[in-house]
Amino acid sequence: SQQGEEDPQALSIQEGENATMNCSYKTSINNLQWYRQNSGRGLVHLILIRSNEREKHSGRLRVTLDTSKKSSSLLITASRAADTASYFCATVPNSGNTPLVFGKGTRLSVIA
Amino acid sequence: DSGVTQTPKHLITATGQRVTLRCSPRSGDLSVYWYQQSLDQGLQFLIQYYNGEERAKGNILERFSAQQFPDLHSELNLSSLELGDSALYFCASSADGNEQFFGPGTRLTVL
Repeated sequence: SQQGEEDPQALSIQEGENATMNCSYKTSINNLQWYRQNSGRGLVHLILIRSNEREKHSGRLRVTLDTSKKSSSLLITASRAADTASYFCATVPNSGNTPLVFGKGTRLSVIA
Repeated sequence: DSGVTQTPKHLITATGQRVTLRCSPRSGDLSVYWYQQSLDQGLQFLIQYYNGEERAKGNILERFSAQQFPDLHSELNLSSLELGDSALYFCASSADGNEQFFGPGTRLTVL
């Protein structure tokens, strides 16, 4: 079963606006990662945040992690049409043998 | 380009058949992971190999099997194929067990 659940399932914004996607998970984690997938292509790793970190930045990406609420958010600032893709959160659980557990993703459309 | 290669890109076959998907990991990566992505089930982890040994198992059907060879490439074998096996199959590799690098995928269509 999926560990992470992204919200919203789909998001449509204008170019230049910020996009925020949320992820909730169920069990304690070692780290949480965000991946991007262009339609029908392989996933691309964006950023990793460890369970003892609260916020991380990478370029126009900002990720927060709240382990007490078991949730994370991905903010993309000043979005571009090229950011149109699906975004997945994935968790590495503390227990068990599953390396990465993916959510079902948020489909982001950035309209020029 | 992630450095992970997968062949073939597309595969069309009939129910009951058997296929083999191939993956070459990034140079130096010892871990290889297989995932299945379908519209209704999302991205499902199937199995992980590390340096030739099975390391973790996910939602892999008994009709499916995999192996990793001494040169670290991996193959995923799917047998007695059913319509529901139609999906994108991804291979990923990792050096440290965290960040994974995904291949372009194999699109399997079972008719």
